[in-house]
Parts: sequence; C-alpha cells; structure tokens
Amino acid sequence: QKEVEQDPGPLSVPEGAIVSLNCTYSNSAFQYFMWYRQYSRKGPELLMYTYSSGNKEDGRFTAQVDKSSKYISLFIRDSQPSDSATYLCAMDTGRRALTFGSGTRLQVQP
Amino acid sequence: NAGVMQNPRHLVRRRGQEARLRCSPVKGHSHVYWYRQLPEEGLKFMVYLQKENIIDESGMPKERFSAEFPKEGPSILRIQQVVRGDSAAYFCASSPQERTGQLFFGSGTQLSVL
Repeated sequence: QKEVEQDPGPLSVPEGAIVSLNCTYSNSAFQYFMWYRQYSRKGPELLMYTYSSGNKEDGRFTAQVDKSSKYISLFIRDSQPSDSATYLCAMDTGRRALTFGSGTRLQVQP
Repeated sequence: NAGVMQNPRHLVRRRGQEARLRCSPVKGHSHVYWYRQLPEEGLKFMVYLQKENIIDESGMPKERFSAEFPKEGPSILRIQQVVRGDSAAYFCASSPQERTGQLFFGSGTQLSVL
C-alpha cells in the first residue's frame, strides 16, 4: 500500500464548476500538507501549504485537512480553463523529504 | 529574479553512457533537492544537499547515482552507465531554509535512454 493515495483522474469539468481533489494517507506522522500544481512539461509549483487539521483559503482555492480520517482535499471554485493541470498532494513528517501523491489530471472545459 | 534553472531540458543517452544533470537554485537558496518522476507516478525523493554537503540520500539508488552541490557552481546529479529504467523526468528544487514544504522547482530534465 502506498503511503499517499491519489486518484489519477482524468477529471473533466465545465468552466465555472467547483472542483474537489482528494488524497488519503496512511502515515500518521505526516504533519504538513501541501498541494502543488504541475502544467505539462513544467515543474510543480506550490499552491497551498497547511499544518494541522482545518481549512485554509487563498482566493479560489481552499485546502482542507482531516487528520483523524487521514484525508486532505483541495477545492477550486469558479474553475477556469487555465486551471487545467495535474494537481499533486504532498506531505511532510518534519524530516527532510516530501512524499507526493501520484497526481490528479484536471481538465476544465471552456 | 531567476527561478531554479535546470539543463539540459532533454538528454538522450545510450545504455552504458553517463548522464550529467545540472541545477542552479534560486539565488540565495542553499538547500537543493532532487526528485525523479516516472510516467503516471508522483515525484520520488532522491537526495537533499546543502552547499558541499549531502544531508539525506535515502532515496538514491546505491549504485551508479551520485550528487554534489559544490561551493561554487550548480548542483550536479550524475548517473553512470545508464540503463533504460533510468528514463524519467528529473526535477531539482531549492528552498531558502530547511523546511521542505515550500520548494521551488525547476522545469526538469527529461532523460531518455536508448
């Protein structure tokens, strides 16, 4: 079993839809949770960084962490075609290496 | 303000040759990380370096792979005697401090082994 599970998609939604992306994990030592966005043939870029359970909002993006269920989510409101990318969740125990999910491919149709 | 620069973007090698991948971190960043990404898979940690020191190489294969981050110049990931299974995208990331969550990634080097 992988430490971090993420549905690969692809997920196709119409422009303006609310998108929900999710990851589950098995290692209870994870303390920090991140979402990265990766466009085709580019490196990942950090979208959201959270610590502990709860919600964090930044513009159209909301990150949610539920440590009791070992479940994290990223919500995108009013999705745009420019949001089409692969979204990677990542987790950190406080050691030095991040553990990434395999990524969910999102396609927002105009 | 340049981001993380990786070169080459694409590298083609025949089996048995050596591959050298270069990474210049964001100016002022002294922490460099190398990750490998296989198709349909997430990024896998390989090695974490600070200037002139390897801090964590727990993700590096024991043989043929090495990394360095000299006092002057870019970080280098070196793969000797490449095999087809080494074909992947190799990403370098840097951070200004040891907290690993907020990484700045380069655009990667796509290594193809024929």
